[in-house]
Amino acid sequence: EVQLVESGGGLVQPGGSLRLSCGGSGFTFSTSAVGWVRQAPGKGLEWVSGITPSGRDTYYSHSVKGRFTISRDNSKNTLYLQMNSLRAEDTAVYYCAKDASGDYYFDYWGQGTLVTVSS
Amino acid sequence: QLVLTQSPSASASLGASVKLTCTLSTGYSNYAIAWHQQQPEKGPRYLMKINSDGRQSRGDGIPDRFSGSMSGAERYLTISSLQSEDEADYYCQTWATGIRVFGGGTKLTVL
Repeated sequence: EVQLVESGGGLVQPGGSLRLSCGGSGFTFSTSAVGWVRQAPGKGLEWVSGITPSGRDTYYSHSVKGRFTISRDNSKNTLYLQMNSLRAEDTAVYYCAKDASGDYYFDYWGQGTLVTVSS
Repeated sequence: QLVLTQSPSASASLGASVKLTCTLSTGYSNYAIAWHQQQPEKGPRYLMKINSDGRQSRGDGIPDRFSGSMSGAERYLTISSLQSEDEADYYCQTWATGIRVFGGGTKLTVL
């Protein structure tokens, strides 16, 4: 059974930093592209960032580029999102998701972790 | 610019069918999309992919009450024999090199 489990969310002050983690199991993590999607309270899904299986290529939405960094450790089957210079508008549930094999849509999702940016 | 447009809301009666629409922006009418369901207070779940030739492939465990189709730049998700648990938000998703794009979502109410 494919599982993606996020952790690391919490309350952080504006300008602060937080690192999210996502552990994958039930599939070959090292050959899967994975990414982060967020959902602000009462809003829709917003793609945040993605990373190729090897970690060589990374991609970001305009809203987080320069502040967030995606990375992965294939030896630990874990995906990370380092979030710096956090703003109130970054408040959201953050989901990790994996791409379908050889394709570019998400076929499995985690349950999410809540990040609240507030003073 | 690659944009997906969805109606904010839809409703249908228990046991009936409903057809949700996702429209690709001009110039992108040949793109494939995927549909995802998000039940209240839950994470999203992948439902199916609709290829640019109309072929569809459902996710693991997705019943055949869920079907997809297309016409031009429009991609459809049809849910038949509506059940109470189908009341959810439905998002379409597409992609270009390195990026993923979501529609704004349709909130489906089962009456």
